[in-house]
Amino acid sequence: KQEVTQIPAALSVPEGENLVLNCSFTDSAIYNLQWFRQDPGKGLTSLLLIQSSQREQTSGRLNASLDKSSGRSTLYIAASQPGDSATYLCAVPPGMDAGNMLTFGGGTRLMVKP
Amino acid sequence: KAGVTQTPRYLIKTRGQQVTLSCSPISGHRSVSWYQQTPGQGLQFLFEYFSETQRNKGNFPGRFSGRQFSNSRSEMNVSTLELGDSALYLCASSLAGVEEQYFGPGTRLTVT
Repeated sequence: KQEVTQIPAALSVPEGENLVLNCSFTDSAIYNLQWFRQDPGKGLTSLLLIQSSQREQTSGRLNASLDKSSGRSTLYIAASQPGDSATYLCAVPPGMDAGNMLTFGGGTRLMVKP
Repeated sequence: KAGVTQTPRYLIKTRGQQVTLSCSPISGHRSVSWYQQTPGQGLQFLFEYFSETQRNKGNFPGRFSGRQFSNSRSEMNVSTLELGDSALYLCASSLAGVEEQYFGPGTRLTVT
């Protein structure tokens, strides 16, 4: 059974810092990995999707990497801003033919202080 | 292009009642998944529908059920509500297979 862990659970940084959020998974036979952002009481916003054949994916100040062999992904946020404050979640589907049942990590709650 | 919509956004129900939540996927998306989010358990998969058929089911009791219509809209139903069913219920849509999923704003269900 796939298990997804995110460390740290919470993070507080001053504005302008570069930061790294970590995601680890136990079963490396994943098809892709998706990073989401969730603001309090709201739905999830997709940030980046990395296919299993990719090593990195970038969108603006966000960069996500994937190392299947070690069961790890990182989300790098450059020059953090107060508007980046949210909970960040990573999720993996079980496999190519198993449909869309995502297993989520517990999330990292990020606070960026002005 | 319109995103995933969920109705209603907020619900308050009493123990023992039943509730139906609705999800309209992004146009052209045929897969709809449902998730329950609680502070204690995090995000947990309920079920997934694809072309009106349930393709996957999570580890939830039979009180939780769903269906999908020919226009890909989906409903989930919870019967005999319990206090522990209070949660944010999220639905997500994707084209068909294992691709990027897009989530709706959720329905906040409170059971008193």
